[in-house]
Amino acid sequence: AQSVTQLGSHVSVSEGALVLLRCNYSSSVPPYLFWYVQYPNQGLQLLLKYTTGATLVKGINGFEAEFKKSETSFHLTKPSAHMSDAAEYFCAVSGSGGYNKLIFGAGTRLAVHP
Amino acid sequence: NAGVTQTPKFQVLKTGQSMTLQCAQDMNHEYMSWYRQDPGMGLRLIHYSVGAGITDQGEVPNGYNVSRSTTEDFPLRLLSAAPSQTSVYFCASSYNRGGTGELFFGEGSRLTVL
Repeated sequence: AQSVTQLGSHVSVSEGALVLLRCNYSSSVPPYLFWYVQYPNQGLQLLLKYTTGATLVKGINGFEAEFKKSETSFHLTKPSAHMSDAAEYFCAVSGSGGYNKLIFGAGTRLAVHP
Repeated sequence: NAGVTQTPKFQVLKTGQSMTLQCAQDMNHEYMSWYRQDPGMGLRLIHYSVGAGITDQGEVPNGYNVSRSTTEDFPLRLLSAAPSQTSVYFCASSYNRGGTGELFFGEGSRLTVL
């Protein structure tokens, strides 16, 4: 079975500071990994994804994530937080049972303070 | 493009009532799915479909029915609503059966069962 653990349900940073959201996964097959963002009262939208190939993946709005197989991690980072980054972020894994069947983590709510 | 459209956006039901959440997509996606989002639990897969006439259960299917008579529509039926079904429901679709997991989400339907 596959699963996702997001460390920290709430993360707070100052504007301009580094954003680091942690995600660890378990999977018995080579995983596809995703980060989605949810703004208030909206659906989820894809930030970035890892399928195969380069392990450092760049996404929208300056976010990036690195797939580390040895650590079973896929942490999301952004060098400098902006107020507009305040949202809830979900890590997800797929592969077992079909690549469209995503298993989501519990989410991390990011707050950005002036 | 409208993308994925869900109706209604808000609904209040009494225990034992039935209702249908509608989902339509105009992207000609083969894959469609329903998730429920609950605080601290992320999104959990209820049912999914890989094409017209084909549906299958996800992680939390009990109390819900689905059908897929057309490529565009994937309604979710609550047969006899229970307070435990109070949640936000998201419909999501994707390009193809062997897809790489980029799901396109609707804006959600918030259901309260009294």
